[in-house]
Amino acid sequence: NAGVTQTPKFQVLKTGQSMTLQCAQDMNHNSMYWYRQDPGMGLRLIYYSASEGTTDKGEVPNGYNVSRLNKREFSLRLESAAPSQTSVYFCASSLQGATYNEQFFGPGTRLTVL
Amino acid sequence: AQSVTQPDIHITVSEGASLELRCNYSYGATPYLFWYVQSPGQGLQLLLKYFSGDTLVQGIKGFEAEFKRSQSSFNLRKPSVHWSDAAEYFCAVGNQAGTALIFGKGTTLSVSS
Repeated sequence: NAGVTQTPKFQVLKTGQSMTLQCAQDMNHNSMYWYRQDPGMGLRLIYYSASEGTTDKGEVPNGYNVSRLNKREFSLRLESAAPSQTSVYFCASSLQGATYNEQFFGPGTRLTVL
Repeated sequence: AQSVTQPDIHITVSEGASLELRCNYSYGATPYLFWYVQSPGQGLQLLLKYFSGDTLVQGIKGFEAEFKRSQSSFNLRKPSVHWSDAAEYFCAVGNQAGTALIFGKGTTLSVSS
């Protein structure tokens, strides 16, 4: 089992460029999440998907879109990157809702927007 | 609104000394509480969780945490710290909808020899 995988590991963008962060899990989990981590801010939820075919906004959704492609994959898209989106992005998954079940995290994508 | 506060941004402990990391939460009902650890350059790993029952919960790597409803606290403890425990520690509470976690801002632990 690979657990939760994320690609790419590192990315540098120029302001206005677009990109998609990929996430996949092989644990047959129903729920998946995207967080961003900034120094001194902890982890903040961007979007989550409680089950295949559903997505919902988290605390900081502006500037992002997501797609739950299938049960395994949950992608995060930046349509027009801004320097404020420089951050480390973590994907996570859990069997059901995060309140009752352990979340498993990927290794993160470190994104810099110039 | 739900929130989690970790009052200590950075703590330094000598190797072999005891450790306590503080966590306070704001939640209307019975909370579901978690402690996660993040080693440098890594994702987060669950240390322990509290849902109900015994208020002292045991986790991995020799950690434990005590839920105190009267103090709205869920402090993490370890009797003897090892150099490999140096990491960032996050306390989290499940949101009321049961859909996601709300994380504190984290406490960075340094271990001195």
